[in-house]
Amino acid sequence: GENVEQHPSTLSVQEGDSAVIKCTYSDSASNYFPWYKQELGKGPQLIIDIRSNVGEKKDQRIAVTLNKTAKHFSLHITETQPEDSAVYFCAASGVGNQFYFGTGTSLTVIP
Amino acid sequence: NAGVTQTPKFQVLKTGQSMTLQCAQDMNHEYMSWYRQDPGMGLRLIHYSVGAGITDQGEVPNGYNVSRSTTEDFPLRLLSAAPSQTSVYFCASSYHTGPPNTEAFFGQGTRLTVV
Repeated sequence: GENVEQHPSTLSVQEGDSAVIKCTYSDSASNYFPWYKQELGKGPQLIIDIRSNVGEKKDQRIAVTLNKTAKHFSLHITETQPEDSAVYFCAASGVGNQFYFGTGTSLTVIP
Repeated sequence: NAGVTQTPKFQVLKTGQSMTLQCAQDMNHEYMSWYRQDPGMGLRLIHYSVGAGITDQGEVPNGYNVSRSTTEDFPLRLLSAAPSQTSVYFCASSYHTGPPNTEAFFGQGTRLTVV
């Protein structure tokens, strides 16, 4: 089955700096790569996603890049704000729409 | 439109007790799934369903049963709770069984402690 690895497990940045979280996947059949944000005591919520026919996608301060050849994808958050502090999960999905999640990155934005 | 609703939010069980975690969605989604979240291990798939009457096992199915009698509901049953099942449980649903794969919507979670 699919194996998704995520790094780093914790990340601290100063407010206004950028944050980058990286994930790799193993199954070349995976074709959908969502990123979820989980705030304390809540369920994960989708913040951005990318499909395998696209190399980059941007939504305001958030961007995701995908390198299919290398089987890795990354989340970039620019101009970080304290409300960006949360746990972020990457995931990969392929046949059957099953999601395989990374182990999460706890992001802290220091005011 | 409530999305995905899980009950209860918190539960403490004694070893050997049984219980059912409830999950309901009102988005007419085909695909529903249960995950458990443990520190440092991310979200691991327990069971999933691609439609009413159809269920299948995920990565960590042992000790759990599911059924899907309607499109809306997907309960998770613990037959004989063990301390190793202490975790936070999330139910999720998505529109398609794929392709194209689509966003999964998560409930608020059930925090289960087995003593």
